[in-house]
Amino acid sequence: EAQVTQNPRYLITVTGKKLTVTCSQNMNHEYMSWYRQDPGLGLRQIYYSMNVEVTDKGDVPEGYKVSRKEKRNFPLILESPSPNQTSLYFCASSLLGNNYNSPLHFGNGTRLTVT
Amino acid sequence: AQKITQTQPGMFVQEKEAVTLDCTYDTSDPSYGLFWYKQPSSGEMIFLIYQGSYDQQNATEGRYSLNFQKARKSANLVISASQLGDSAMYFCAMRENTGNQFYFGTGTSLTVIP
Repeated sequence: EAQVTQNPRYLITVTGKKLTVTCSQNMNHEYMSWYRQDPGLGLRQIYYSMNVEVTDKGDVPEGYKVSRKEKRNFPLILESPSPNQTSLYFCASSLLGNNYNSPLHFGNGTRLTVT
Repeated sequence: AQKITQTQPGMFVQEKEAVTLDCTYDTSDPSYGLFWYKQPSSGEMIFLIYQGSYDQQNATEGRYSLNFQKARKSANLVISASQLGDSAMYFCAMRENTGNQFYFGTGTSLTVIP
């Protein structure tokens, strides 16, 4: 089944403890990206990747890191999480990196709570 | 300036009636794509419909259609014959040809009343 898989679904952690949210897609998509969803703010893009080893900042990159060593994987790293990073996170992929016609396919989301 | 504006935080519609969810966008790029997504209470994001800036006809997908008014920069989603399962959050999004980002609106919460 074609899908975007992100793990874990739920995560509770403490301030400052490094964490990684994994994202993997099996559709050979070029484009991958991370979003955070907060009430009243919609989805905001954190980072995106046009292809392997090509990553760039979105609108809210502070406090996050990403890497794209393989086409299928795009992990989101929080080196020192803070409570303001408590949010619902989505990974998404799109077939063509440079084509504005390609829709995003989303993972099921990761609800992160930082205390 | 906001790239995508959804001015209706919440909407109610009677079952079997049609409903229009508003979306306006801001871009100077002549080439762009517009997307609508549905987020049910379970949380996943479901792609509904796409409209390209050069498409002459309004996009349709089953009960979903997109009322695309390019001069007004609006891309409203029309859901016909609403069903209880249509109750969800709906997001409008855009990607420009010159950029690599997707921009989302703040969403509209739709409740279908039996």
